[in-house]
Amino acid sequence: EDKVVQSPLSLVVHEGDTVTLNCSYEVTNFRSLLWYKQEKKAPTFLFMLTSSGIEKKSGRLSSILDKKELFSILNITATQTGDSAVYLCALQGAQKLVFGQGTRLTINP
Amino acid sequence: DAEITQSPRHKITETGRQVTLACHQTWNHNNMFWYRQDLGHGLRLIHYSYGVHDTNKGEVSDGYSVSRSNTEDLPLTLESAASSQTSVYFCASSATASAYEQYFGPGTRLTVT
Repeated sequence: EDKVVQSPLSLVVHEGDTVTLNCSYEVTNFRSLLWYKQEKKAPTFLFMLTSSGIEKKSGRLSSILDKKELFSILNITATQTGDSAVYLCALQGAQKLVFGQGTRLTINP
Repeated sequence: DAEITQSPRHKITETGRQVTLACHQTWNHNNMFWYRQDLGHGLRLIHYSYGVHDTNKGEVSDGYSVSRSNTEDLPLTLESAASSQTSVYFCASSATASAYEQYFGPGTRLTVT
């Protein structure tokens, strides 16, 4: 059974700090790993990762995948209060997504 | 503009009642999904459909059913609502060719008393 575990479950930091969110997984047929940001509504897509070692970057957010060790990290530098959200990691097998529990990130001013 | 909508946005019902949550998308996507989201569990897949008249059970399908009579709609029915089904429900859709990018509806908050 495909499984996704995120850590930490909750994180509180000060504005300007850098944070690293972790996602480890077990899968039988890996297709891709995805990161979503969820504020007070539906999740919104951030990144899709398919290959090891290739960093995806969007502004202050970046993510990388390690298919040998079966994990991915999401980095956010120079955090802002608007980065406060739940960050979801999801594993794609076939056409379904299996989600982790999410990491609730709170950025204090 | 294409979109995915859910109704109602909030629902309170009593234990034992049948409840149907609506999901409607205008993306013309073949794939549609229902998830529930609870604290500590993230998003869990309830049912999904790859096209008209196709339905499949997800991770937590007990007590739920879906039917797909057209491309746009995938209603989710709770046959006999239970307090354990109090949750936020999200519908999502994706095109076959780019299934990784699922578009989510705004969610329905269901409370079973």
